[in-house]
Amino acid sequence: QKEVEQNSGPLSVPEGAIASLNCTYSDRGSQSFFWYRQYSGKSPELIMFIYSNGDKEDGRFTAQLNKASQYVSLLIRDSQPSDSATYLCAVYRSEAGAGSYQLTFGKGTKLSVIP
Amino acid sequence: GAVVSQHPSRVICKSGTSVKIECRSLDFQATTMFWYRQFPKKSLMLMATSNEGSKATYEQGVEKDKFLINHASLTLSTLTVTSAHPEDSSFYICSARGQGRETQYFGPGTRLLVL
Repeated sequence: QKEVEQNSGPLSVPEGAIASLNCTYSDRGSQSFFWYRQYSGKSPELIMFIYSNGDKEDGRFTAQLNKASQYVSLLIRDSQPSDSATYLCAVYRSEAGAGSYQLTFGKGTKLSVIP
Repeated sequence: GAVVSQHPSRVICKSGTSVKIECRSLDFQATTMFWYRQFPKKSLMLMATSNEGSKATYEQGVEKDKFLINHASLTLSTLTVTSAHPEDSSFYICSARGQGRETQYFGPGTRLLVL
């Protein structure tokens, strides 16, 4: 069974600090990795995705992927109170023929940025 | 990013009635749509996956006769909650994926309250 694990938190960081969110996955054949942000009472919104080992930067966000360790993380620099939300890690593996194309989501990490 | 809409955003109904929720992909063709349910302070729970023109695949424990899913076109999927009961009150969120794409884009969700 494919699993995606995240620390539920809450993770509290002071405003301006770097928030580090971590995710591990069990399926070594996973191909793509996604980070979604979900504000309370709202639906998830895509922040970024990463396919290759290493870092991918987009503004204040950096996704890091280490396939050998089956580990993906999201760093948020200069954290703002508006970043307070639940962050969902999602992992994708194509199973052509089986017709399965869904993402496997973690349960999310709640981030709280303290002013 | 791609845009997915849901209608209605909020619905209140009496116990025993049926409620239809629409999910539309506005600027891309969604070959696969997903329906999720989320209870307060809980994780996203995948209910079913639907591919355009074929029957939906339901997750274990989800009653297909109670939650009717139709994906008749590449831009529209509907979820009908039949004979709704108070325990069906939840946040229903759809997401959509384009042909050959891994990324899922979420709709804004529909909040259902059954009295």
